[in-house]
Amino acid sequence: SQTIHQWPATLVQPVGSPLSLECTVEGTSNPNLYWYRQAAGRGLQLLFYSVGIGQISSEVPQNLSASRPQDRQFILSSKKLLLSDSGFYLCAWTSGRRQPQHFGDGTRLSIL
Amino acid sequence: DQQVKQNSPSLSVQEGRISILNCDYTNSMFDYFLWYKKYPAEGPTFLISISSIKDKNEDGRFTVFLNKSAKHLSLHIVPSQPGDSAVYFCAASNTDYKLSFGAGTTVTVRA
Repeated sequence: SQTIHQWPATLVQPVGSPLSLECTVEGTSNPNLYWYRQAAGRGLQLLFYSVGIGQISSEVPQNLSASRPQDRQFILSSKKLLLSDSGFYLCAWTSGRRQPQHFGDGTRLSIL
Repeated sequence: DQQVKQNSPSLSVQEGRISILNCDYTNSMFDYFLWYKKYPAEGPTFLISISSIKDKNEDGRFTVFLNKSAKHLSLHIVPSQPGDSAVYFCAASNTDYKLSFGAGTTVTVRA
């Protein structure tokens, strides 16, 4: 069966520090991969998605970037974190169109 | 511009009764709709979906209804159980690979 791993679960970082969140999927090949952010009391905002290695689409202009170095690995990065980057970050995968997206357990990112 | 709206931020229901969650959308190109359930500090879990060629889909205690003319989606949970207390998100997609999510409805099931 397919599983998605996301780490770390919790992260506290100072303003201006770099960021790297990693997500990997097991049990499937060529998944579509997604990064979302959920701000407190809000819905899920799509940040990036990828339909293949090296293919990244950005949904909103921001201080973050994404990369897909391997088929089942998706990384969310920042060179310098801002206070506004705080939130709950979720990685998700799907096997294709009209298929549910399946989410990891998320990373709670706090910027101090 | 929020294309999927859940206008009720919260819902309280007695155990054993029906929970009805509502969702409205504005994009007539949406053709696939989903409901997710989310507990605090966890990722959303897929519950049920429906294609635009159908108007109803049922899975156990969960039934989703789609009214395309009204651009309205609803989720019925019967009977409601304490473990159903969570945040429920409605989502929709069209011809691309992206989902648009509503802001969520917090359901509390009272004993």
